[in-house]
Amino acid sequence: KAGVTQTPRYLIKTRGQQVTLSCSPISGHRSVSWYQQTPGQGLQFLFEYFSETQRNKGNFPGRFSGRQFSNSRSEMNVSTLELGDSALYLCASSPPRGTYTEAFFGQGTRLTVV
Amino acid sequence: AQKITQTQPGMFVQEKEAVTLDCTYDTSDQSYGLFWYKQPSSGEMIFLIYQGSYDEQNATEGRYSLNFQKARKSANLVISASQLGDSAMYFCAVSGNTGKLIFGQGTTLQVKP
Repeated sequence: KAGVTQTPRYLIKTRGQQVTLSCSPISGHRSVSWYQQTPGQGLQFLFEYFSETQRNKGNFPGRFSGRQFSNSRSEMNVSTLELGDSALYLCASSPPRGTYTEAFFGQGTRLTVV
Repeated sequence: AQKITQTQPGMFVQEKEAVTLDCTYDTSDQSYGLFWYKQPSSGEMIFLIYQGSYDEQNATEGRYSLNFQKARKSANLVISASQLGDSAMYFCAVSGNTGKLIFGQGTTLQVKP
């Protein structure tokens, strides 16, 4: 069974540009969550999508947005990139049972903003 | 609001010995889940073990066990018979009614040969 796949693995962008990250969940998983990991702030929740609807949102500015497609694949977009957006972005998918199910993570996309 | 505290930024353990990684949590939710993840240098977060707040038995998964003390709001991870491949960052996390994971700052574990 294939795991969570995130593309691309590495990305270098310039300040002011926008970027789109992609996440393909484990087959059968309908919940996809996104997290940002930085050395200073640690792991922070960005948002969660379930059946194409945003179900939860973290405390991030509107420059961070996402969406989920009918096949459960999800994309995350960051507009007007800032240096502080440099981070490891992790996507996780969860099986459709209960609330406290384990989340399975991808290998992440490492974004560097210069 | 939920919070996870991991007080050990770094730990060393000798190969084949057991090690305990500390985790305390704070949550206002009556029902919640506790998780431990391992993050090697490659960056991927690997799920290790889960404990539900109403589970009376401590969770175990192979060499991993979770020492759950609800009254003390403690959910320590015990790794038995440490292996060199256990060297990584370990994160404790809590999930409440919203389903999102709140992570601690992590503990870096180094296993010495």
